[in-house]
Amino acid sequence: DTGVSQDPRHKITKRGQNVTFRCDPISEHNRLYWYRQTLGQGPEFLTYFQNEAQLEKSRLLSDRFSAERPKGSFSTLEIQRTEQGDSAMYLCATSTTGQLWEQFFGPGTRLTVL
Amino acid sequence: DAKTTQPTSMDCAEGRAANLPCNHSTISGNEYVYWYRQIHSQGPQYIIHGLKNNETNEMASLIITEDRKSSTLILPHATLRDTAVYYCIVRDYENAGNNRKLIWGLGTSLAVNP
Repeated sequence: DTGVSQDPRHKITKRGQNVTFRCDPISEHNRLYWYRQTLGQGPEFLTYFQNEAQLEKSRLLSDRFSAERPKGSFSTLEIQRTEQGDSAMYLCATSTTGQLWEQFFGPGTRLTVL
Repeated sequence: DAKTTQPTSMDCAEGRAANLPCNHSTISGNEYVYWYRQIHSQGPQYIIHGLKNNETNEMASLIITEDRKSSTLILPHATLRDTAVYYCIVRDYENAGNNRKLIWGLGTSLAVNP
């Protein structure tokens, strides 16, 4: 257990539905990252926050994806109008500016879109 | 960021040293080498990183060649719990003013056998 938690761990939804995932970071970590990982591939960067500010978004993050980190604590990732291609593991990672070389990953949320 | 090349899979006997190679022939002078691993159904875990000197911590040793075009991660006494996918990543050092996101390849699937 790294101290980063994600909820839910698994989500099954029907195409076209909206889903929201939550990440709770290690309390003193001010950087928070979202990644997506499909089977057999390494994680792909989606977006990151420094405190409450979203500072970078990948081109992978289409208009259907939105992420927030109100108050610089927990973060949510929402996918609207889900598609089958969104099926993947969504990983959250956090780090502290004093030790940026080490990202601590949560267990991930596995999304299955039927 | 420079690309890395790793063998797809490797085997190692329990109790023996596991030596995982990584080629990064296009690495630039300010890019570090990072290693993470991902045990099945878990989020990735940081192992070690280095610039040009060899590094050692409680988990592993990192040997970087003098020309920095390749490196080897060494797990000195592999256990069954070291069975995982090992990712070698190179990128600029991250500081409070930037985000040099991790670009993940496919990694090496290491199987530690009893």
